[in-house]
Amino acid sequence: NAGVTQTPKFQVLKTGQSMTLQCAQDMNHEYMSWYRQDPGMGLRLIHYSVGAGITDQGEVPNGYNVSRSTTEDFPLRLLSAAPSQTSVYFCASSRSGTSENEQYFGPGTRLTVT
Amino acid sequence: AQKITQTQPGMFVQEKEAVTLDCTYDTSDPSYGLFWYKQPSSGEMIFLIYQGSYDQQNATEGRYSLNFQKARKSANLVISASQLGDSAMYFCAMRVVRGGYQKVTFGIGTKLQVIP
Repeated sequence: NAGVTQTPKFQVLKTGQSMTLQCAQDMNHEYMSWYRQDPGMGLRLIHYSVGAGITDQGEVPNGYNVSRSTTEDFPLRLLSAAPSQTSVYFCASSRSGTSENEQYFGPGTRLTVT
Repeated sequence: AQKITQTQPGMFVQEKEAVTLDCTYDTSDPSYGLFWYKQPSSGEMIFLIYQGSYDQQNATEGRYSLNFQKARKSANLVISASQLGDSAMYFCAMRVVRGGYQKVTFGIGTKLQVIP
């Protein structure tokens, strides 16, 4: 199993550009989540999905869109990038809808918006 | 509101010694999970240990143990016999999942440095 994969690893955008961060998992996990990590802060939940076709907002959803058409993929879209979105983005997945299931994290995408 | 507090920005420990990383939490949910993750300088998030809110016994995973004191709302990580490879950031996190609802809160982390 590849686990959770994220592409790209690094990205530089200009203010106003759009892009999609890709996330895929091959563990047949129901739950998938996107987090951002900023210096001096822990991870903050952006959006999550509890299954194909179902998504919900986390703590910091503004400026980001998500959709989930398959169990495997959960892309994160930035429609109009802003410097405040410079961060490291992590995708995570977990088996089912109970608190006990650990989340498996992807390697992260480092995004810089100039 | 859900909150995780890690009050130790940085910690030093001598190799082969034990170290405790503090974590306190706050939630109104009766059912929750507490997790510790390690983030080395390479950046990946590595799951270390889990404690459920209803678990009676403290969790252990190899050299890692979780000192869970529910009344005090604390979930401290104990690393025994520290190794140089333990130098990393450590994050405490709480996860509440109810049906289609999920809330996850991370602390700001503790940077652990192991001294030879």
